[in-house]
Amino acid sequence: QQQVKQSPQSLIVQKGGISIINCAYENTAFDYFPWYQQFPGKGPALLIAIRPDVSEKKEGRFTISFNKSAKQFSLHIMDSQPGDSATYFCAASIRGNNDMRFGAGTRLTVKP
Amino acid sequence: KAGVTQTPRYLIKTRGQQVTLSCSPISGHRSVSWYQQTPGQGLQFLFEYFSETQRNKGNFPGRFSGRQFSNSRSEMNVSTLELGDSALYLCASSLGDSAPGELFFGEGSRLTVL
Repeated sequence: QQQVKQSPQSLIVQKGGISIINCAYENTAFDYFPWYQQFPGKGPALLIAIRPDVSEKKEGRFTISFNKSAKQFSLHIMDSQPGDSATYFCAASIRGNNDMRFGAGTRLTVKP
Repeated sequence: KAGVTQTPRYLIKTRGQQVTLSCSPISGHRSVSWYQQTPGQGLQFLFEYFSETQRNKGNFPGRFSGRQFSNSRSEMNVSTLELGDSALYLCASSLGDSAPGELFFGEGSRLTVL
């Protein structure tokens, strides 16, 4: 039933590098695409989100790139820091619907 | 502003028992959603409550149920527990229609079924 495919499963990046996580979705009715960050022992926290009327959204070091025709979106973390080490989940939902479909997650490790 | 509070944080049950988990949403949030998180299946939507009404339900058996009270607090119940119900149960609150999809998660209730 997975409707959002996320890759890679794990990612190791050097401090200061760029982390890139990709997601692809199937349901063209999805119109809200958030990214969540989860630290061990904590619940997921909303990081940044995009709607399909824009192709890119940037908040600080975090950028979402969105390709509607390819049904893909990605998270870029610039100047990655050890404190960014966490599991990242992409998700998708239909507007007004909190039935969020999550990707399988990417475990990011940023080495100092 | 206090975040989403879930109780208990940890609990151990045996097969066949039932369990009730509680969630207090962020003040002013009227929507509460429940998710199950497991290593194998990831994050899966259980149900959403808005103004005491179940608005949406995921693909889980009827052993999983929930309710919401007039103060927006929510409970979920799992009856006749199975080993496979061992998971982290996450509650998420949101403003609802004024901010669709913006979920704020609690730290979860970790259920172990023996």
